Amino acid sequence: SAVISQKPSRDICQRGTSLTIQCQVDSQVTMMFWYRQQPGQSLTLIATANQGSEATYESGFVIDKFPISRPNLTFSTLTVSNMSPEDSSIYLCSVGTSGSRYNEQFFGPGTRLTVL
Amino acid sequence: SQQGEEDPQALSIQEGENATMNCSYKTSINNLQWYRQNSGRGLVHLILIRSNEREKHSGRLRVTLDTSKKSSSLLITASRAADTASYFCATAPSTSGTYKYIFGTGTRLKVLA
Repeated sequence: SAVISQKPSRDICQRGTSLTIQCQVDSQVTMMFWYRQQPGQSLTLIATANQGSEATYESGFVIDKFPISRPNLTFSTLTVSNMSPEDSSIYLCSVGTSGSRYNEQFFGPGTRLTVL
Repeated sequence: SQQGEEDPQALSIQEGENATMNCSYKTSINNLQWYRQNSGRGLVHLILIRSNEREKHSGRLRVTLDTSKKSSSLLITASRAADTASYFCATAPSTSGTYKYIFGTGTRLKVLA
C-alpha cells in the first residue's frame, strides 16, 4: 500500500481565513480523493482530484469553497476557503493505488481543522 | 444520503470476546471495504471483499458479504483493548465507476480490559 502524509496534522483558524492542506504520496497513484469527516460523523467525499485538470466535485461541494490542485501523480492540495465554524472537521485525502486490481483505497492520517 | 448503515452504532465488550458489526447498503456494488479509525485519526484499511466473494479472512478478522441481502458483517475474534476504535464499511456502487466509495455510519467499538 502507498504511504500517505498530510500537512498540517491540525490547525486552529479564524473565521474568514483560508487553509491549504497538502497530501503527499510516496508513489504514483491513479486516483486521489478528498473527504470530510465532521465531528462524530462518517466520511463524505468532497471531490476527486484529477491530475492536470479540474477536480470533480460531489453534490454540495463547490470549487470556490474547496479549490483543489493536483499538479502531478503524487501530490494534491485542498484549500478550505473563507472558513466558518461549520467547516471544523477532519479532512482526509485518500488514494487508489495504480497497482491494485481491486480498487483498494488508502487514507492519509487526516488534518484536524478547528475554526473559531 | 449515505449508502451504508451500520449496526450497532456502539458496542462494548470484554477483552477476549468476539465483536460482530453489520453493514447494510442500498445499491448493487463492485466491492466493499472495512476500515478502522482510532480516536478521529486516519483510516486504516482492514479488508476488501469483492462482490463475487462471500467470505474473507485476515488474521482475527472475518468478513462476510451477502449481496442478495445487501449486507456485510465484520467479525473480530478474541478482541483486545487495542481493537477499541470506530469501524466503517465503504461500498463502491457499481453505477459509480471504480474507486468511488461511500461510507457507512460506523460502529464505535469499546473493548474493556
